[in-house]
Amino acid sequence: DADVTQTPRNRITKTGKRIMLECSQTKGHDRMYWYRQDPGLGLRLIYYSFDVKDINKGEISDGYSVSRQAQAKFSLSLESAIPNQTALYFCATSAGLAGGYNEQFFGPGTRLTVL
Amino acid sequence: AQSVTQLGSHVSVSEGALVLLRCNYSSSVPPYLFWYVQYPNQGLQLLLKYTSAATLVKGINGFEAEFKKSETSFHLTKPSAHMSDAAEYFCAVTLNTGGFKTIFGAGTRLFVKA
Repeated sequence: DADVTQTPRNRITKTGKRIMLECSQTKGHDRMYWYRQDPGLGLRLIYYSFDVKDINKGEISDGYSVSRQAQAKFSLSLESAIPNQTALYFCATSAGLAGGYNEQFFGPGTRLTVL
Repeated sequence: AQSVTQLGSHVSVSEGALVLLRCNYSSSVPPYLFWYVQYPNQGLQLLLKYTSAATLVKGINGFEAEFKKSETSFHLTKPSAHMSDAAEYFCAVTLNTGGFKTIFGAGTRLFVKA
């Protein structure tokens, strides 16, 4: 079984709809991240969480919110989806410095299309 | 500001040829450096990492990278390309400031011609 799972894997929605992307991990890591990937832009950090009570904005948090329901679960919400949020979204986890200098482990991605 | 630059968004090589993917970083503190690979329809996976133990780092699938502090570079190489190496490669820097955040480069897509 995969260590980091994301649901759904693909989603098509309409402008203005609320969308939630979910991430679960079995690696026991405290740190979790949400990125979006756009062609030519690499990965950009949306939000990150270093433990259940610690949530931080990344470089492109506007229009997104997150919830860390448990150590193993980190969900990303788009409150009112817009077309320029069409992208590939990745969840990742890491153990921090002690666990390999913050090597990150990625889920398979969610392809989101906003019409 | 810290940054990661990957030179060349696309690189094309022939099967059996040398693979060279370039990465330069800017950092005011000693960085931890990584290369990740993304195969089609998959998430990223770690190829190799530099953590100051040795400047030449060997990774999976025959890849290696050399940390050159004077050039602020961490280029990825493989002596002989294989068709299965076709993927997108990302250089990343983790900085020991404010919680070890990681910055990714824009990625280089590697094409391997038969």
